Amino acid sequence: DAGVIQSPRHEVTEMGQEVTLRCKPISGHDYLFWYRQTMMRGLELLIYFNNNVPIDDSGMPEDRFSAKMPNASFSTLKIQPSEPRDSAVYFCASSLSGLAGSGELFFGEGSRLTVL
Amino acid sequence: SQQGEEDPQALSIQEGENATMNCSYKTSINNLQWYRQNSGRGLVHLILIRSNEREKHSGRLRVTLDTSKKSSSLLITASRAADTASYFCATVGSEKLVFGKGTKLTVNP
Repeated sequence: DAGVIQSPRHEVTEMGQEVTLRCKPISGHDYLFWYRQTMMRGLELLIYFNNNVPIDDSGMPEDRFSAKMPNASFSTLKIQPSEPRDSAVYFCASSLSGLAGSGELFFGEGSRLTVL
Repeated sequence: SQQGEEDPQALSIQEGENATMNCSYKTSINNLQWYRQNSGRGLVHLILIRSNEREKHSGRLRVTLDTSKKSSSLLITASRAADTASYFCATVGSEKLVFGKGTKLTVNP
């Protein structure tokens, strides 16, 4: 399998613009997670899905952030409008099974977002 | 919060030496996992230890878990320059994996 695929790898945009990050999880994985990584705050869980259904979005920082999973092989994280403080590396990860058991996360390479 | 906290924040050793990283957390867990992140890359799962386990080995990795002290340690034996990376512990209380800030390990050749 190709692993978790994220695009774009790098995105530079101006404040106020809409940003869409994309993720293709590993085939057959039922869980999908979006994380954000910054030097100051480390890795923060934004939202996760189980079988395409959002389960916990308590980590989504503001209404400017939204995430969807229209099918088992695709998810998007959208920021509208973007702000400089949104600059971070955004990771998508998937898991075959629930983490409370023996599930482990498989991460993509991340999307580095810079908002000017 | 059940977020793990790693100690030390940074560690620099010579090739061939052992590296020990510690992790403390605050609430009860189902399992604890360690991940590695090379610069500019995604995280890679290393090892998982369940709450009813005390020690686990995988190659040059040894993980211990003390639930009474809410702490875990990761030992890398006979380190190599290629082990240079950041190492994160992550705790699972429900279905969410909560990461610590990580330990940055540098192995000098």
